[in-house]
Amino acid sequence: DAKTTQPNSMESNEEEPVHLPCNHSTISGTDYIHWYRQLPSQGPEYVIHGLTSNVNNRMASLAIAEDRKSSTLILHRATLRDAAVYYCMYSSNTGKLIFGQGTTLQVKP
Amino acid sequence: DVKVTQSSRYLVKRTGEKVFLECVQDMDHENMFWYRQDPGLGLRLIYFSYDVKMKEKGDIPEGYSVSREKKERFSLILESASTNQTSMYLCASSPGGIGEKLFFGSGTQLSVL
Repeated sequence: DAKTTQPNSMESNEEEPVHLPCNHSTISGTDYIHWYRQLPSQGPEYVIHGLTSNVNNRMASLAIAEDRKSSTLILHRATLRDAAVYYCMYSSNTGKLIFGQGTTLQVKP
Repeated sequence: DVKVTQSSRYLVKRTGEKVFLECVQDMDHENMFWYRQDPGLGLRLIYFSYDVKMKEKGDIPEGYSVSREKKERFSLILESASTNQTSMYLCASSPGGIGEKLFFGSGTQLSVL
């Protein structure tokens, strides 16, 4: 079955970099890897996505392993507002969008 | 900005009732999705639709049905609500095409008593 695997929780100190890992060993060659985050009492919001190459935007960076079976979301300088649940996701070849269980990120001041 | 609107933020229903959860998007998106979110289980796909009057089962379709009569609206139906359907329900939409990002609504917290 298609699935993604993420650690349940991670902690970071404010203004330090955070690396959030995700395994997606069943991904196929044309599936994009997405990351979303969910703040309390809100729906998930888009963070970043990519196919094969590493990607950067104003929110984060995405590092994709060469075999594409794993990826890492990088927050370069964590702030208190980055405390959220982070989900990785990819689309399976059946058209389903497969989310992981999410990683709860705590940021300490 | 894309807006995905879910009709209710909180909903309380009784066991056996027929429940309709409505979702509307305003950006002419082709794809729409219904997920449920439970502690420790993440987001699980119930149904999705890639076109009007088209539907596909997700990972947990049992006990649910959907309707997409118009492109902008995707309804989730609980034919006979049960207590194990108490959950947060999230609707999402995306443009057609591979790799397009999802836009989520704020969610409906459904309690079935």
